[in-house]
Amino acid sequence: EVQLVESGGGLVQPGRSLRLSCVGSGFNFGDYAMYWVRQGPGKGLEWVASISSNTIEYADSVKGRFIISRDNAKNSLYLQMNSLRAEDTAFYYCVKDKDYGLGSYMFDPWGHGTLVTVSS
Amino acid sequence: DIQMTQSPSSVSASVGDRVTINCRASQGISTWLAWYQQKPGRAPKLLIYAASGLQSGVSSRFSGSRSGTDFTLTINNLQPEDFATYYCQQAHSFPLTFGGGTKVEIK
Repeated sequence: EVQLVESGGGLVQPGRSLRLSCVGSGFNFGDYAMYWVRQGPGKGLEWVASISSNTIEYADSVKGRFIISRDNAKNSLYLQMNSLRAEDTAFYYCVKDKDYGLGSYMFDPWGHGTLVTVSS
Repeated sequence: DIQMTQSPSSVSASVGDRVTINCRASQGISTWLAWYQQKPGRAPKLLIYAASGLQSGVSSRFSGSRSGTDFTLTINNLQPEDFATYYCQQAHSFPLTFGGGTKVEIK
């Protein structure tokens, strides 16, 4: 069974940093593009960042502040979040691409999410 | 950026009803569209990929279709477990974008 487990969320002051982690199991982690998607309280879904074997993409809302990375040997995905703002408050989901290789940019499955709250 | 306009934002329906949810892309995305279901307090779940492909393990009561830049998710014979919020997502190009969501509520 494919599983994605996020960690690292919490309460952080504006302007500070936080690093999220996600460990995958049940699949060949290095063969798949991986994503971070977030959802503010009571709001819709927002794609944040993507990483494949040769490509990294960011949403404009986080470009220059967030860094996505992965360690395939550890089956792990990361999101380094710097200069955090109140509007970054959200559940952050670690998501696997539905298809291996180049991928489909469709998301399956999703982790359970980790909550990041940016507040003083 | 490709905008995804989803409608309606909410719909009230009864068990056994047929529900249709619409999603319009601001430009052509071919069949690069997915539908997700999200229940309260849970992560989203992929239902439909490539506009009309039924994800493994998903009930055949769910179906997707496309007409140009208009996409439809249909839920036949609505069941109690189908009351949730549904999102479309374009997978054509970055930035990847979602529709605003449709909440299916019990009438």
